[in-house]
Amino acid sequence: DVKVTQSSRYLVKRTGEKVFLECVQDMDHENMFWYRQDPGLGLRLIYFSYDVKMKEKGDIPEGYSVSREKKERFSLILESASTNQTSMYLCASSPPTGETQYFGPGTRLLVL
Amino acid sequence: GQNIDQPTEMTATEGAIVQINCTYQTSGFNGLFWYQQHAGEAPTFLSYNVLDGLEEKGRFSSFLSRSKGYSYLLLKELQMKDSASYLCAVRWSGNTPLVFGKGTRLSVIA
Repeated sequence: DVKVTQSSRYLVKRTGEKVFLECVQDMDHENMFWYRQDPGLGLRLIYFSYDVKMKEKGDIPEGYSVSREKKERFSLILESASTNQTSMYLCASSPPTGETQYFGPGTRLLVL
Repeated sequence: GQNIDQPTEMTATEGAIVQINCTYQTSGFNGLFWYQQHAGEAPTFLSYNVLDGLEEKGRFSSFLSRSKGYSYLLLKELQMKDSASYLCAVRWSGNTPLVFGKGTRLSVIA
């Protein structure tokens, strides 16, 4: 079974803090993705990566950065958290062959 | 743009059949996925269509018409545990990230 894990299920941070969300997958997948999910807006792609040290902007990259130093780990960084970044953050991974994406359990982030 | 449209909410009765529709822009289409997401949980994969026709998997089936830019997810013998959001997602051209519709929240009532 594919396993995608995220470092926290719930997180509370203050405005201006630097926030790290970690994602690890154990299936040797090349592709990894970060989405945020908000009511009425659905899943929106923040960043993705097709290989180590590689990153591509998604639809809403502003206010975020990412790091992929190892194949199995993809980190999402909020340089200076703001209240409008309160959301559910979902990490996903997939092989390069066009198969489905497998999601982690999500991190519900509250920025006060 | 890469628009995906699906109804926001649906309600159906336990034991019945429900069809959730999804329409998308056809240009560059390279596959359609359906996911189920229970409240507070991650999406889980249900089905994948890349060719026209019906794919059946137990109580769930998914249909695709590429020329019409249309898919549906059919759920038979509805159970209360089927109450969830159902997400339609499309891949356009090659190994690109999935684009998700906003989801259809299905409520199954007794």
